[in-house]
Amino acid sequence: DAEITQSPRHKITETGRQVTLACHQTWNHNNMFWYRQDLGHGLRLIHYSYGVHDTNKGEVSDGYSVSRSNTEDLPLTLESAASSQTSVYFCASSSISRLSSYNEQFFGPGTRLTVL
Amino acid sequence: GQQLNQSPQSMFIQEGEDVSMNCTSSSIFNTWLWYKQEPGEGPVLLIALYKAGELTSNGRLTAQFGITRKDSFLNISASIPSDVGIYFCAGQKGSNYKLTFGKGTLLTVNP
Repeated sequence: DAEITQSPRHKITETGRQVTLACHQTWNHNNMFWYRQDLGHGLRLIHYSYGVHDTNKGEVSDGYSVSRSNTEDLPLTLESAASSQTSVYFCASSSISRLSSYNEQFFGPGTRLTVL
Repeated sequence: GQQLNQSPQSMFIQEGEDVSMNCTSSSIFNTWLWYKQEPGEGPVLLIALYKAGELTSNGRLTAQFGITRKDSFLNISASIPSDVGIYFCAGQKGSNYKLTFGKGTLLTVNP
């Protein structure tokens, strides 16, 4: 079955380190999204991509970057981790085809990141 | 940024009771989605609505796309303990594929 996976599921790192969170989907979806989830803020969009080599900033993109070299993967990089980036991170994907319910985003299981 | 106002923030109900929650916005949306999130997991899509006035059911869940396109409602009938979780509404507007999420309704069901 098609799916979306994230790794690692849990990560503890130190302030200032570079961290990369992986997201892999096997639906062949063009659209991929990264969110962070924090108490009191719900899900906030960090970055998104509508296809290979396309990346766009979301509402909370400072301190994060993404790259899209193929359809299946959208890794999220924290260039220099800060304590304010302690959060749960979710990756999601969706189709661009109107025949495939194109606005329905499917989420991965999440990565819990702690920055000490 | 764009906000969806989701209410209530939390609900404590007895097993067997019906539940209603809603999402409102000052803007018009083309699509409304309802997700459920359980502890330690990602949100799971429950219902998608694409037309104003649309009423869609998924088992004991029923959702409606408001006629003004600025709101949506989710009802759960005859709640059971496994309904516990956080329910999120999400809306899509314009020609892009981004979603705007509400802050969620935490549902607790007492057996």
